[in-house]
Amino acid sequence: GQNIDQPTEMTATEGAIVQINCTYQTSGFNGLFWYQQHAGEAPTFLSYNVLDGLEEKGRFSSFLSRSKGYSYLLLKELQMKDSASYLCAVREAKLIFGTGTRLQVFP
Amino acid sequence: GAGVSQSPRYKVAKRGQDVALRCDPISGHVSLFWYQQALGQGPEFLTYFQNEAQLDKSGLPSDRFFAERPEGSVSTLKIQRTQQEDSAVYLCASSPRLWTTNTGELFFGEGSRLTVL
Repeated sequence: GQNIDQPTEMTATEGAIVQINCTYQTSGFNGLFWYQQHAGEAPTFLSYNVLDGLEEKGRFSSFLSRSKGYSYLLLKELQMKDSASYLCAVREAKLIFGTGTRLQVFP
Repeated sequence: GAGVSQSPRYKVAKRGQDVALRCDPISGHVSLFWYQQALGQGPEFLTYFQNEAQLDKSGLPSDRFFAERPEGSVSTLKIQRTQQEDSAVYLCASSPRLWTTNTGELFFGEGSRLTVL
């Protein structure tokens, strides 16, 4: 079956670094997405990994290991506005989402 | 508009009523998805359209749910005889290319929040 696991909640301090992990077991795989979703708003695209390794984009980086079924999203220099849910999603015939990780950033 | 537009943003229905939720994807986008998102959960796939063709409806929870995209642009998700468990945010997303053969992300609308009393 399809299974995508992420921690439910995380907390961190402004200016710090946080790593949000995602493990997956899916019948197909054609890449992994990370989306950010603020409460009551649309999910917005953060990153896409299809090959193993690290993709860096400003304060956000995403890593993928296909052999381990594992990805993480790394957020550096945290800001209050980074408080949101972070959704890990595997691309196959459709886009399958995990339950999301709610990140709270404190001053 | 430049983004995916959904209406209504909020809908309150009495149990047993029928509802219709509309999605205007980004102009020219070929692929269109509907997702259901319960509070505190990730989006759950409902159905997928490629132009006007509904290629996958495996996620529709019951035959009370019906989606269409007759001209390959605007899509409507209809829920008949609503139940309390249908209360959720219904998200629409579109992509400019064929989902099955191309890369690229989905662009999401802000969703329609349905509350069934």
